[in-house]
Formats: sequence, C-alpha cells, structure tokens
Amino acid sequence: EVQLVESGGGLVQPGRSLRLSCTSSGFTFGDYAMSWVRQAPGKGLEWLGSIRTQTYRETTEYAASVKDRFIISRDDSKNIAYLQIHSLKTEDTAVYYCARRGSFWFFDYWGRGTLVTVSS
Amino acid sequence: DIVMTQSPDSLAVSLGERATITCKSSQSVLHSSNNRNYLAWYQKRPGQPPKLLIYWASTRESGVPDRFSGSGSGTEFTLTISSLQAEDVAVYYCQQYYIVPPVTFGQGTKLEIK
Repeated sequence: EVQLVESGGGLVQPGRSLRLSCTSSGFTFGDYAMSWVRQAPGKGLEWLGSIRTQTYRETTEYAASVKDRFIISRDDSKNIAYLQIHSLKTEDTAVYYCARRGSFWFFDYWGRGTLVTVSS
Repeated sequence: DIVMTQSPDSLAVSLGERATITCKSSQSVLHSSNNRNYLAWYQKRPGQPPKLLIYWASTRESGVPDRFSGSGSGTEFTLTISSLQAEDVAVYYCQQYYIVPPVTFGQGTKLEIK
C-alpha cells in the first residue's frame, strides 16, 4: 500500500526556517518524481514545486511565488522528500501536502498533510 | 501560465440527483500528438488529502465509483456525478498538466447536499 506521511509542521515565528519531510512507503520511491502542494485556510490548492528522479538529476521546479524561499530535495536511501522553507511569512500558514507524481504531472497519491502556522 | 476557472463556486444538489461542475482553461490542454487532454480532477473532503478522481479528462482512477465521469476537450471540461451520495460532499478541483511548470488548479467547487 502506497503511503506518504508528512512531518515537521508546527508553530513557527515569521522569518524563521522550517524543513518538512515526506516519508514514503509501499512503492519504489526512487522511480517517482515528488511534489509539494499547500492549502492555506479557506483557500484552494497551490502547487509549490517538484523534484525529479535521479535519472533526471533530481532537477527541481518551483512556483514563481516561492522559488526564492523554498527548496525541495530528496533522499532515496531513506525514501524521504523534503521541503525547506526559509524566511517564513504569515501567508505561508497552510497545510502542506506531498504528492507522488508519475511520468505526467498529475498526482495519484497524497499524504495527509502537515500544518504549518506562522505567527509571532 | 494556464489559468483554470471552475464554475460554479458552490453547488447544492439533492441526494440521488446529478451534479455537474465545469472547468475552463485559458488555453487548450489538448496535445495534438497523442490526442489527449492533460486535465485531472480531484476530490477534497474536509480534513482529508486530495484524491485523484479523473485524469486525461475522462479516465477514472482505479477504485473511483463509476458515478463519477469526466468529459470535454480543448478548453472546456465537465465533471459529472450521476447520482449524488452523501460521501460526495467535498470540494472538487480541476488541474491542468499540459504546460508545466507550473501545475495550475482551478479555484475549487464546493459541493453540498440540498
């Protein structure tokens, strides 16, 4: 059974950094690109970025709105994808989801999400 | 970027009745080389992660009930629930994956029971 479990969320002060993890199981992690998507309170889904597989040099792409502050990485030996967020802003308050992406850019499995609250 | 616009923003339908949600893209998501529409639909229930319902505009994901169907081509698409069940109460999102990045989602349509 495919499972994605996000962790690392919580209450963080503005300006701080945070690293979220997405621990995967039930599939060959190294064969799939991974993405991060967030949903702010009362808002819709916002794609943040993706990381390709080692075959594609683990290249990353980001949404324009976050590309200067967000970094996605992966550790295939641990089956984990990461989202590093720098210079957190109150508007980064959201539930952050990781999602599995296949050859095409839709997402067939999602984690349950981790809540990040940015507040002083 | 391709802009995805859904209508309506919210919808109330009686149990057992048909629900129809529309999604329009700012440019075509039909790939001429393979005649596929790069359009997916997701269901987002409160407190749960999004769930993939439909991809290639009309292909149901494994395990999705057949009361869910997708149709359309080019720039206009429809998600239809043929007979609304209580568990279908959710927000539904369309997403294009034709020109990426970025992936873009519609703003969502909230479906409730009348």
